[in-house]
Amino acid sequence: GDSVTQMEGPVTLSEEAFLTINCTYTATGYPSLFWYVQYPGEGLQLLLKATKADDKGSNKGFEATYRKETTSFHLEKGSVQVSDSAVYFCALRVYSSGSRLTFGEGTQLTVNP
Amino acid sequence: DGGITQSPKYLFRKEGQNVTLSCEQNLNHDAMYWYRQDPGQGLRLIYYSQIVNDFQKGDIAEGYSVSREKKESFPLTVTSAQKNPTAFYLCASSIEDRSNQPQHFGDGTRLSIL
Repeated sequence: GDSVTQMEGPVTLSEEAFLTINCTYTATGYPSLFWYVQYPGEGLQLLLKATKADDKGSNKGFEATYRKETTSFHLEKGSVQVSDSAVYFCALRVYSSGSRLTFGEGTQLTVNP
Repeated sequence: DGGITQSPKYLFRKEGQNVTLSCEQNLNHDAMYWYRQDPGQGLRLIYYSQIVNDFQKGDIAEGYSVSREKKESFPLTVTSAQKNPTAFYLCASSIEDRSNQPQHFGDGTRLSIL
């Protein structure tokens, strides 16, 4: 079946540090890949997406590149801010699996001033 | 603004009681979903619906029921058969049959046992 594996958290960084959150996947078909962010007490917000190999999704300084050869979609940001503190979820969606999303376990990020 | 509205934000259930969580969307999306999130964990799919008057079980449907009488609405009932209902419940919607389209989420309902 489909699955997503994220690096274990929590991750704690100082402001302006470089961020990488690893995400790898296995899929029965050709997936679209997504990163979602969840702030405390809220639902999930789409952060970025990529729908085919070598696509780069980007938003709010975050980037992730769809790497088919390594089945990865790592999230990066060059300089994190305190306001980036949240839980980040990697997810995939495969048409052959119907319309469901498969999520990773989530990575808690805390950025200290 | 278009979006997904979940209500209530907080809900308390007594032993043996059924409770219903509301989810309404005005995005004109065909597909709707219910997820359960436990502390420190990812999301698990409870039920989903791709069209009106049709729905399918997800990974953890036992103890839950849904209906989809209108395109805009997908209420979730947590029945007394669900022995561990304390969790954060998230509703989502998406354009159907488009795997490259994201799901859009509501702000969630937090259910607790009295």
